[in-house]
Amino acid sequence: SAVISQKPSRDICQRGTSLTIQCQVDSQVTMMFWYRQQPGQSLTLIATANQGSEATYESGFVIDKFPISRPNLTFSTLTVSNMSPEDSSIYLCSTGTGGFYNEQFFGPGTRLTVL
Amino acid sequence: QQPVQSPQAVILREGEDAVINCSSSKALYSVHWYRQKHGEAPVFLMILLKGGEQKGHEKISASFNEKKQQSSLYLTASQLSYSGTYFCGTGGPGGKLIFGQGTELSVKP
Repeated sequence: SAVISQKPSRDICQRGTSLTIQCQVDSQVTMMFWYRQQPGQSLTLIATANQGSEATYESGFVIDKFPISRPNLTFSTLTVSNMSPEDSSIYLCSTGTGGFYNEQFFGPGTRLTVL
Repeated sequence: QQPVQSPQAVILREGEDAVINCSSSKALYSVHWYRQKHGEAPVFLMILLKGGEQKGHEKISASFNEKKQQSSLYLTASQLSYSGTYFCGTGGPGGKLIFGQGTELSVKP
């Protein structure tokens, strides 16, 4: 399985600012996914990031609020823009090979608190 | 459509068994099971594919009933280390997963 790291591991931010979260994988992967997990809740998919193409966003998530970059096969970033307290969550990236049957492995997550 | 898990929570004594169910209103192509301990990332347990099942761990197994559009995770002779929240995820196009709401499992000595 791939080893995934995220930076920062946690942050406390002021309302109206932006934070960029980095996700680094130790091997080349086709698919990278970004999830949000609010306290005590399940994981909600934000978007799928493929190298060389624009990210695909799920219903309820938009590029202006959560711009994503995927410059190569081992790295991706998620920016949480113009933050509000409702954005306080854990943000996780995961990797997969694509298709219905791929296993996904998760990074350790970034715990974000917005004041 | 989010799959539905039951029960929402279960408390066991060490050595007891548990079953966690995952149901979907849509046809299932694959079901993925994860365990998440508090403050940690979800850890992959196993994947079940349409037309078959795959056992991922000793004493933790799962079944996949395509007709009923549901999967069940079986934990036998539970250990303290089994405590955590279990999520099922249904596989979709492009490899994305839609997760159930989770089942919190507590194993007591």
